[in-house]
Amino acid sequence: DAGITQSPRHKVTETGTPVTLRCHQTENHRYMYWYRQDPGHGLRLIHYSYGVKDTDKGEVSDGYSVSRSKTEDFLLTLESATSSQTSVYFCAISEGETGGITDTQYFGPGTRLTVL
Amino acid sequence: GQNIDQPTEMTATEGAIVQINCTYQTSGFNGLFWYQQHAGEAPTFLSYNVLDGLEEKGRFSSFLSRSKGYSYLLLKELQMKDSASYLCAPKAAGNKLTFGGGTRVLVKP
Repeated sequence: DAGITQSPRHKVTETGTPVTLRCHQTENHRYMYWYRQDPGHGLRLIHYSYGVKDTDKGEVSDGYSVSRSKTEDFLLTLESATSSQTSVYFCAISEGETGGITDTQYFGPGTRLTVL
Repeated sequence: GQNIDQPTEMTATEGAIVQINCTYQTSGFNGLFWYQQHAGEAPTFLSYNVLDGLEEKGRFSSFLSRSKGYSYLLLKELQMKDSASYLCAPKAAGNKLTFGGGTRVLVKP
């Protein structure tokens, strides 16, 4: 299994507070992704990174920002948490974009976030 | 745009075969992944198809028809541990995956 950890694994916070989730990998993979998973919506891409300091928006990026200052770490920040951001957040990594099997995304264990 | 359709739920008996269909409309399509996700856990990689045809991997096989925008995942000799959700995920340029809502498979003894 790919070496991916997420922290914290569970968090409860209040509306209006900033929250930062961390994804750490030991695989030296170039691509990193943040998804959220909600009942009835499946996995949806929030932001992704294709290298250090190179990031781009996914389909549900409003209210989220990301940073990647090192290959191994990808941070997701909820600038001012809202109840609609209560979700399970998954980080994923992939080696590259070749059109082959190295494009496979491997997922971290997830962070369960509750915004009250 | 992206549009993915797969059944919400399927039930099968231990030892049987189940086929999970997925249809998609994906701009810039260049491959399709299947993932397995047990309740409360992360998705895990099952298979990847980029060319038309069948890819076999033990008890699991995956088929792709690019011209029809169609894929299926075939699970053979079902075991109780195969009870999980199965996610169809077409890939577009930029290595972006779009996930379907998943098919929950319930294996009964």
